Amino acid sequence: DTGVSQDPRHKITKRGQNVTFRCDPISEHNRLYWYRQTLGQGPEFLTYFQNEAQLEKSRLLSDRFSAERPKGSFSTLEIQRTEQGDSAMYLCASSLEGTGAGEQYFGPGTRLTVT
Amino acid sequence: AQSVAQPEDQVNVAEGNPLTVKCTYSVSGNPYLFWYVQYPNRGLQFLLKYITGDNLVKGSYGFEAEFNKSQTSFHLKKPSALVSDSALYFCAGRPRGGNTPLVFGKGTRLSVIA
Repeated sequence: DTGVSQDPRHKITKRGQNVTFRCDPISEHNRLYWYRQTLGQGPEFLTYFQNEAQLEKSRLLSDRFSAERPKGSFSTLEIQRTEQGDSAMYLCASSLEGTGAGEQYFGPGTRLTVT
Repeated sequence: AQSVAQPEDQVNVAEGNPLTVKCTYSVSGNPYLFWYVQYPNRGLQFLLKYITGDNLVKGSYGFEAEFNKSQTSFHLKKPSALVSDSALYFCAGRPRGGNTPLVFGKGTRLSVIA
């Protein structure tokens, strides 16, 4: 399968715990994006990478959130001291810069439930 | 600020009838516009995009979309709906220049009734 993959698909955690999600983009794609989607809403941008450089962060991304893409391939999104408001679907997408509109291809998402 | 609006939360259509899912945008310049579909417990799947040129864009699964600059709209259409088209549809857009993040609408749930 050559699409975007995310792991885990589901995560249930207790408030205050730390969680980490992984995203593996399409191999030749140099851009990688993280979005958050809550029920009844469209995805909201969190952050994105060009290769290993983090180029933009949304103000939605509080200090408890950190993302990395250390070798310009896979990326991790960590949430520290989780809160119930962090419960959402976390989506990863990738694209190839310089190919017209650079449409983004999405992974299946990681559904986080904070109890 | 850039924004995309989908005025209908739900669209119901009978199988075999034409369908339209509406989208309007407020994106600077000549935008790139996209439609994605989301099935339950799955990520978003790319359907089609508008870059430039022909205002009628054809995409996957028989879907097409019409770009209307004067009305700032990008409505999704299909001549004959299938029950399997039932899903959540998202319109998205971004300004030209660089792979800037997409701005999404809230989504429209399409139900095709047999």
